[in-house]
Amino acid sequence: AQKVTQAQTEISVVEKEDVTLDCVYETRDTTYYLFWYKQPPSGELVFLIRRNSFDEQNEISGRYSWNFQKSTSSFNFTITASQVVDSAVYFCALSVTGANSKLTFGKGITLSVRP
Amino acid sequence: NAGVTQTPKFQVLKTGQSMTLQCAQDMNHEYMSWYRQDPGMGLRLIHYSVGAGITDQGEVPNGYNVSRSTTEDFPLRLLSAAPSQTSVYFCASSQNRWGLEAFFGQGTRLTVV
Repeated sequence: AQKVTQAQTEISVVEKEDVTLDCVYETRDTTYYLFWYKQPPSGELVFLIRRNSFDEQNEISGRYSWNFQKSTSSFNFTITASQVVDSAVYFCALSVTGANSKLTFGKGITLSVRP
Repeated sequence: NAGVTQTPKFQVLKTGQSMTLQCAQDMNHEYMSWYRQDPGMGLRLIHYSVGAGITDQGEVPNGYNVSRSTTEDFPLRLLSAAPSQTSVYFCASSQNRWGLEAFFGQGTRLTVV
């Protein structure tokens, strides 16, 4: 079975603060993929990043960075110098390969960035 | 490129009515799935398909039916709508195994009264 836990449900920060969104996953598979999606107030789901289980290199994209640690089964997402436009629900997701592969989401974290 | 198209965007049903949520993708993706999103519950998988003619149940399949007669289309049928099925429904597709980015439709907001 596969599972994604996003223990934080709501986070509120003031603009320009840094914020980290936590994601812990469970799977017995050795080959798997981790994702982050953003859902802004308009409702669509926007893909942010994909990481496979063999690549533990951290990634930075502008103000966004991701920290993947297999030892703790975590794939955390940090927004540096947050902006109001970062206000959204953020989902972490996990997929494993195989005949019945599917994408499993966490419950999401609602991030509010106040001016 | 249209991507994943869901129709309708909004729908109100009476309890007991049936309806079909449409999902079409023009990217020749093998994998398609349906999720429902409820407050505090995240996205939960209803049904998915690994290719034309092949479907399987997800986490919350009861009350829903799917079929996949073509690569492009993956309709979701509500057999007898219940208030508990009030939700936002998302259709998604991916090129192959879920290691690649999943593309989502815009969602269907369904209310059952």
